[in-house]
Amino acid sequence: EVQLVESGGGLVQPGGSLRLSCAASGFTFSSYWMSWVRQAPGKGLEWVANIKQDGSEKYYVDSVKGRFTISRDNAKNSLYLQMNSLRAEDTAVYYCARELYRTRSAFDYWGQGTLVTVSS
Amino acid sequence: QSALTQPRSVSGSPGQSVTISCTGTSSDVGGYNYVSWYQQHPGKAPKLMIYDVSKRPSGVPDRFSGSKSGNTASLTISGLQAEDEADYYCCSYAGSYPPYVFGTGTKVTVL
Repeated sequence: EVQLVESGGGLVQPGGSLRLSCAASGFTFSSYWMSWVRQAPGKGLEWVANIKQDGSEKYYVDSVKGRFTISRDNAKNSLYLQMNSLRAEDTAVYYCARELYRTRSAFDYWGQGTLVTVSS
Repeated sequence: QSALTQPRSVSGSPGQSVTISCTGTSSDVGGYNYVSWYQQHPGKAPKLMIYDVSKRPSGVPDRFSGSKSGNTASLTISGLQAEDEADYYCCSYAGSYPPYVFGTGTKVTVL
């Protein structure tokens, strides 16, 4: 059974940092592109970043470029999101999601999400 | 990239059909056959219901179907059931980065 379990969320002050983790199991993690998708309270979904199977390609939404870094450790079946210089508008539930294997045209599995609250 | 446009809400009685539209541009919905739909119950993670416009993942009831015409994609739920009450989001591959753009979301209410 495919499972994605996020952790690392919490309350942080503006300008602070957090590192989110996503533990994957039930599939060959190293074979898939992985993404982070976020959802602000009461709002819709927003793609944040993704990373290629071997970590050689990484892409970000403009609003987080230069502040967030996506990474992965295939030996540990884990995905990470290092978030620096956090702003109030980064407050959201952050989901890790697996991209479809062949086409990468959708997200077929999602974690339960971890809440990040940026507030003083 | 702007969010894809969905109606805020749709409703129907049990057994009826409802259709949710998702309007984008030729750079996303109209440019690729890579539209997906997600169901999200309150406090839960999104669940993939439709991918590549009209394909259903294993385990998704065939009451859910997808289609696309031009820059607008649609999700139809036939034989509406109480458990279908949820938020639904469309998503399209958009080529350039960001590669994915989501819709604004639609709340489906079963009367």
